[in-house]
Amino acid sequence: NAGVTQTPKFQVLKTGQSMTLQCAQDMNHEYMSWYRQDPGMGLRLIHYSVGAGITDQGEVPNGYNVSRSTTEDFPLRLLSAAPSQTSVYFCASSRQGASYEQYFGPGTRLTVT
Amino acid sequence: GQQVMQIPQYQHVQEGEDFTTYCNSSTTLSNIQWYKQRPGGHPVFLIQLVKSGEVKKQKRLTFQFGEAKKNSSLHITATQTTDVGTYFCTSGTYKYIFGTGTRLKVLA
Repeated sequence: NAGVTQTPKFQVLKTGQSMTLQCAQDMNHEYMSWYRQDPGMGLRLIHYSVGAGITDQGEVPNGYNVSRSTTEDFPLRLLSAAPSQTSVYFCASSRQGASYEQYFGPGTRLTVT
Repeated sequence: GQQVMQIPQYQHVQEGEDFTTYCNSSTTLSNIQWYKQRPGGHPVFLIQLVKSGEVKKQKRLTFQFGEAKKNSSLHITATQTTDVGTYFCTSGTYKYIFGTGTRLKVLA
């Protein structure tokens, strides 16, 4: 099992550009989430999904879109990149059930100039 | 909305000293999970607590969930350089709110 994979690992965008961060998991987990991590801010939830076709907003959803057409994939779209979106982005998945352990991907480091 | 505060933000300890980080919430938590993130890495799950007053141990790590289920602590006995990293608490079932983390540095 590859676990949770994220691509790309690094990305530099110019202000106003759009892009999609990819996230995939091969553990058949129902729940998936996107977080951003800024220095001193911990992990902040952007969007999450409880299953294919179901998504909802987290703490900081503005400027981001998500969709979940399959159980495996949960892409994050930046509509019009801004310097404030410079951050490290983590995708995570977890199984519905008694344990809420999240498995995190390796992260994508995004810089917006 | 629910907020989870973590203290301290930073802690430097001499190798062999003990270390404790605290997680506090203004609302009752259904559960608490602890994660460790090594520098440059991603968060890795350590443990989950769900019962009031629950205490769990993993070798030199002791995790506690408060009686009122509003706070939790992680205590490391006799720190080692391998303990370096940021420790996060979080709560939730699918919509998780993370604490700001405690960054631990261990001086050899």
